[in-house]
Amino acid sequence: GAVVSQHPSWVICKSGTSVKIECRSLDFQATTMFWYRQFPKQSLMLMATSNEGSKATYEQGVEKDKFLINHASLTLSTLTVTSAHPEDSSFYICSARLQPRGQVSQPQHFGDGTRLSIL
Amino acid sequence: KQEVTQIPAALSVPEGENLVLNCSFTDSAIYNLQWFRQDPGKGLTSLLLIQSSQREQTSGRLNASLDKSSGRSTLYIAASQPGDSATYLCAVETSGSRLTFGEGTQLTVNP
Repeated sequence: GAVVSQHPSWVICKSGTSVKIECRSLDFQATTMFWYRQFPKQSLMLMATSNEGSKATYEQGVEKDKFLINHASLTLSTLTVTSAHPEDSSFYICSARLQPRGQVSQPQHFGDGTRLSIL
Repeated sequence: KQEVTQIPAALSVPEGENLVLNCSFTDSAIYNLQWFRQDPGKGLTSLLLIQSSQREQTSGRLNASLDKSSGRSTLYIAASQPGDSATYLCAVETSGSRLTFGEGTQLTVNP
């Protein structure tokens, strides 16, 4: 089945540091990748949609200068949390999707997530 | 704005029991509905995807139904096992490939 790898799985760093998270589709080409954020005991909230070769589309309330997304190839998207602060501590999850086959939408395949802790 | 609600929030059952998880959504203009499983501290594993034109999907002991007009879906788990313990999330896809998630049902299957 489709595999999405996310790295690192856990990051602890000081306030003010910038942190980069990678999301790779290992055995398929993903024209679209998604970044989600999940707080404890809560569901996933979509942060942005990333299409290869174009700028990401951010959801309302998500600061694009804070959360930089790059989708340079069909198998890699990165999320950089710039000048991270304790309130940015969360579980970040990416997903990737195959191109739709005609009218049939394809499922999103999720990475294992990155737990970010800012001290 | 699409809203997804899952009931119950938590469920604890003895091993072997059949169970039903419920999901409802407010806007019936969806492309598909997916059920996911999330283990603690992990990402999501896709269980079943039901296209908007379909009524149900089955995979092993899992059966998911979709009634788009009433905005409801159920996930039926037969003969539950302790390994089924996890949080189950449903999500609907709307325009722009946007997935809206429910808050999940935390399932515990006791040996």
